[in-house]
Amino acid sequence: EAQVTQNPRYLITVTGKKLTVTCSQNMNHEYMSWYRQDPGLGLRQIYYSMNVEVTDKGDVPEGYKVSRKEKRNFPLILESPSPNQTSLYFCASIGGNSYEQYFGPGTRLTVT
Amino acid sequence: AQSVTQLDSQVPVFEEAPVELRCNYSSSVSVYLFWYVQYPNQGLQLLLKYLSGSTLVKGINGFEAEFNKSQTSFHLRKPSVHISDTAEYFCAVTSNYQLIWGAGTKLIIKP
Repeated sequence: EAQVTQNPRYLITVTGKKLTVTCSQNMNHEYMSWYRQDPGLGLRQIYYSMNVEVTDKGDVPEGYKVSRKEKRNFPLILESPSPNQTSLYFCASIGGNSYEQYFGPGTRLTVT
Repeated sequence: AQSVTQLDSQVPVFEEAPVELRCNYSSSVSVYLFWYVQYPNQGLQLLLKYLSGSTLVKGINGFEAEFNKSQTSFHLRKPSVHISDTAEYFCAVTSNYQLIWGAGTKLIIKP
């Protein structure tokens, strides 16, 4: 089954404790992206990657890092989380010429 | 730069009544348009998309949308809503691989 998986689904952590949210897709898509969703703001892009070893900033990259060492994985790294990074995070991939984004199930992060 | 405006943050409607969720975009280039739906406590699911061809696009669950280039709109419609349509709906536009998202419209179904 074609899918995008994210782990963990829920995470409660404390300020400053480094964390990684994993994202993996099994569709051989080149393009992957991370979003955060906050009430009233819709989805805002954090980082995206056009291919292996190619990443670029989205609209709200501050406080986040990503890596793309292999095509299927695109982890999101918070080196020193802060409470304003409490949010719902989605990973997505795009394939083919349809530009349709396939979303992971989301990760709800709470930073206290 | 591209932008997307969803004109209503919430739309309350009675069950079995028709509904229209409005979406306007701005872009200087040709775009592809999408509607996504997010059911409560779930992820995002593609409802329908316009890439080219017929301006009337049919999606899942009885929804359809019409692309109007002159008015730069892509409004979503359903002739008769059901309680199960309760969700948040997002309009998005792209001319490449980066989607620009609207802020979302919550569809509230009144019994």
